[in-house]
Amino acid sequence: DAGITQSPRHKVTETGTPVTLRCHQTENHRYMYWYRQDPGHGLRLIHYSYGVKDTDKGEVSDGYSVSRSKTEDFLLTLESATSSQTSVYFCAISERGEEAFFGQGTRLTVV
Amino acid sequence: KNEVEQSPQNLTAQEGEFITINCSYSVGISALHWLQQHPGGGIVSLFMLSSGKKKHGRLIATINIQEKHSSLHITASHPRDSAVYICAKSTDKLIFGTGTRLQVFP
Repeated sequence: DAGITQSPRHKVTETGTPVTLRCHQTENHRYMYWYRQDPGHGLRLIHYSYGVKDTDKGEVSDGYSVSRSKTEDFLLTLESATSSQTSVYFCAISERGEEAFFGQGTRLTVV
Repeated sequence: KNEVEQSPQNLTAQEGEFITINCSYSVGISALHWLQQHPGGGIVSLFMLSSGKKKHGRLIATINIQEKHSSLHITASHPRDSAVYICAKSTDKLIFGTGTRLQVFP
């Protein structure tokens, strides 16, 4: 199995609180991604990274920020969580021309 | 218009039937991925294609670069094939289709 882990796996938080999700890889892949998965919408890209300190926005980036200070870690931060950010979040890694690998997912509930 | 379109959105089949799921994309790609997600489960990569055809067990994936179209076929379907099948295109990033929910009944 590819070395990619997400933490935490489950989190319940209150509206207005900051939340950080972590994605850690041991594969040294250049590309890392954060997606959210919601019923009826499939997987939607929030942010992605193509190298250390190189990130770009996806289609649903509002309310989210990311950081990548090391190759192996990609952090997703919700500065002030809202109920609309209740979702399942997946991290993925890839290299150009190679298959992609996914984390196990993080179920986030904002109450 | 989504960059990656899948059809059908939902599919039911009887065990043993031949299944086809289609994926179309709007612009050029470096590769096309097929992924599988079981209910409540993680996402697993099935195939990555840049041309031609690949086969793994009862699963076959094909791609037509000129037509910007890919298909995933399942031969002799089984209830354990019930899952969501997702195609994704990669250029500088991965963009996903909304998935096809397959249910195979005994």
